[in-house]
Amino acid sequence: AQSVTQLGSHVSVSEGALVLLRCNYSSSVPPYLFWYVQYPNQGLQLLLKYTSAATLVKGINGFEAEFKKSETSFHLTKPSAHMSDAAEYFCAVSDRYYGGSQGNLIFGKGTKLSVKP
Amino acid sequence: DVKVTQSSRYLVKRTGEKVFLECVQDMDHENMFWYRQDPGLGLRLIYFSYDVKMKEKGDIPEGYSVSREKKERFSLILESASTNQTSMYLCASSTRRGGLETQYFGPGTRLLVL
Repeated sequence: AQSVTQLGSHVSVSEGALVLLRCNYSSSVPPYLFWYVQYPNQGLQLLLKYTSAATLVKGINGFEAEFKKSETSFHLTKPSAHMSDAAEYFCAVSDRYYGGSQGNLIFGKGTKLSVKP
Repeated sequence: DVKVTQSSRYLVKRTGEKVFLECVQDMDHENMFWYRQDPGLGLRLIYFSYDVKMKEKGDIPEGYSVSREKKERFSLILESASTNQTSMYLCASSTRRGGLETQYFGPGTRLLVL
């Protein structure tokens, strides 16, 4: 079965430092991939999505992610962390290419990002 | 902008009560979803619906049912609430128009069952 693995349930960075949140998926064909962000006591907000148009995807708030087929990875990065980036981040894959039900999402377990002043 | 609203942000219920969680979207989306979110487990799909009066079981449907009588509204029902259903419940919607079905989420309902 398809799955998404997020390495590291907690990541802590200093303000201004590089943010790197890791996501690996299991698939034999390129899937649709997503990153969502969840601020405390809120729902999930779409950060960016990969649809096979370009391997480097730019999202909101200065985040970007690179699809690497050879590594089955879709890591999320931001060059310089801001205090407002503190949140939980979820990677997700659409099951559309697996014969699944029209685009259900399979989520990773999430990574909580802390940003130290 | 897509707007997905949920009837309550916080809810406290007693064991054995029947609980209704309501979700409404205003973008004419065909697809609607209910997830529960628990620390360390991420989001798990409870039920989803691809059309009015349609429903499909997700990964953890036990103890839940759903209703979709109108396109914009998707209700999650806990027939007899139990303490292990204490969780954050998230509703989402998406459309099949345009190909990629990005899901848009509501703010969530934090349910405590005593």
